[in-house]
Amino acid sequence: EIVLTQSPATLSLSPGERATLSCRASQSVDKYLVWHQQKPGQAPRLLIYDASNRATGIPARFTGSGSGTDFTLTISSLEPEDFAVYYCQQRNSWPYTFGQGTKLEI
Amino acid sequence: EVQLVESGGGLVQPGGSLRLSCTASGFTFSNYGMNWVRQAPGEGLEWISFIRSSGSTEYADSVRGRFTISRDNAKKSLFLQMDSLRAEDTAVYYCARETGYIDYWGQGTLVTVSS
Repeated sequence: EIVLTQSPATLSLSPGERATLSCRASQSVDKYLVWHQQKPGQAPRLLIYDASNRATGIPARFTGSGSGTDFTLTISSLEPEDFAVYYCQQRNSWPYTFGQGTKLEI
Repeated sequence: EVQLVESGGGLVQPGGSLRLSCTASGFTFSNYGMNWVRQAPGEGLEWISFIRSSGSTEYADSVRGRFTISRDNAKKSLFLQMDSLRAEDTAVYYCARETGYIDYWGQGTLVTVSS
């Protein structure tokens, strides 16, 4: 199975700063990388699909990039509501796998 | 509005069984694949099963042979039959719609396996 490794595990930043989250795959997933956001006590929510496509209603400050094995989620200027856990997930091959998550904290 | 509502969670003893349900609304259920994803307390997300609109299925190794995914399109419902439950199956179980990728999640139902 494809292993996804996210870094850093925890990212401490302030509102208004830029956040850069990384996801590395153990083998190529082509463009088939998805990002989900999860806030405490809530279900996850789709942010980005196929590496760089924002889901409906997702603000433009969220940008996904990458292909193959290296992917990045960038949040250009953090808003208070962006502090959450972010998971990458590959849909290139079965079984689907998730990264272990990056916690973005204030 | 897409809505997914899970039910059926609860406390079960090791070796026991439980059947989870997910009721869908706001979209044509029969046209979509559906997933189950779980999250152990304080842990990350783990994909466990998928069923296509055709009815064919996929499973994670951790549950293959113990869990069975199924669907009833007439009732707009997804199911997860969980047998031979273990302590490590304790988690919140989410159903999630698939449109080539997971795009909507339910709120989850908690399953606790303990004596």
